[in-house]
Amino acid sequence: GQNIDQPTEMTATEGAIVQINCTYQTSGFNGLFWYQQHAGEAPTFLSYNVLDGLEEKGRFSSFLSRSKGYSYLLLKELQMKDSASYLCAVLDSNYQLIWGAGTKLIIKP
Amino acid sequence: IAGITQAPTSQILAAGRRMTLRCTQDMRHNAMYWYRQDLGLGLRLIHYSNTAGTTGKGEVPDGYSVSRANTDDFPLTLASAVPSQTSVYFCASSDSQGASTDTQYFGPGTRLTVL
Repeated sequence: GQNIDQPTEMTATEGAIVQINCTYQTSGFNGLFWYQQHAGEAPTFLSYNVLDGLEEKGRFSSFLSRSKGYSYLLLKELQMKDSASYLCAVLDSNYQLIWGAGTKLIIKP
Repeated sequence: IAGITQAPTSQILAAGRRMTLRCTQDMRHNAMYWYRQDLGLGLRLIHYSNTAGTTGKGEVPDGYSVSRANTDDFPLTLASAVPSQTSVYFCASSDSQGASTDTQYFGPGTRLTVL
C-alpha cells in the first residue's frame, strides 16, 4: 500500500528553527509537495520537489532524498502566524496526490 | 470571483437526504478534484476530472457522484447521506492533471454534518 508518515504534532519557540519530516512509500514518484493549512482554512501550496536536494523560498526550505523516501520542511525565524498544520503529499505513478495526515505545529512565544 | 468558491460553507443534513456540494473555479483550470478531510487522516480523494466531460474515481468514491459539464463547475452529490459522510469537503483545481509540476489550489471547504 501507499503510506506517508509525518509527526502528528510539534512545538517550537518564536524566532527558532523547526524541521518537519516526511517519509513516504508510494507506487511511483513524480514529485513531493508541502502545503500549509491554518485551522478552519484550506490548504495552500508551499513547495514542490522532484529532484534531490534543497529548495529555498524565503524563510521556508524543503529537502528531498528520493533514494531514502524522505523529505523535510525547514522553517526559520518562526513567527506566531506559522502556527498551522503542514501537509506532505506525494504525486504517485498515476499522477494522483497521496496525502499525509499532516503535522500540527504549535509556536510558543 | 477569484480562485475557487464552494457552497454551502456548512450544512447539517438528515441521514437519507440528497445533497449537492457546489464548486466553481474561474482560473480556467482543466483538472478538478473533490477531497474529504477527517481528523487524524490525510486528505482523501473522492472523485476527479481531468477535463470537462470526463470524471474518474478516487480513493473513496462510494456514496458520491460528480459531473463536469463545463470547465468551471464540478458539483459533488451525495445521493443518500449517511453519518459516516460527516466531514470537511474540499474542492481543488489544477492547470493540468498528469504534469509533474502540477499544483492544486483549494476552495475554502464545506463542513457537512449528517445526523
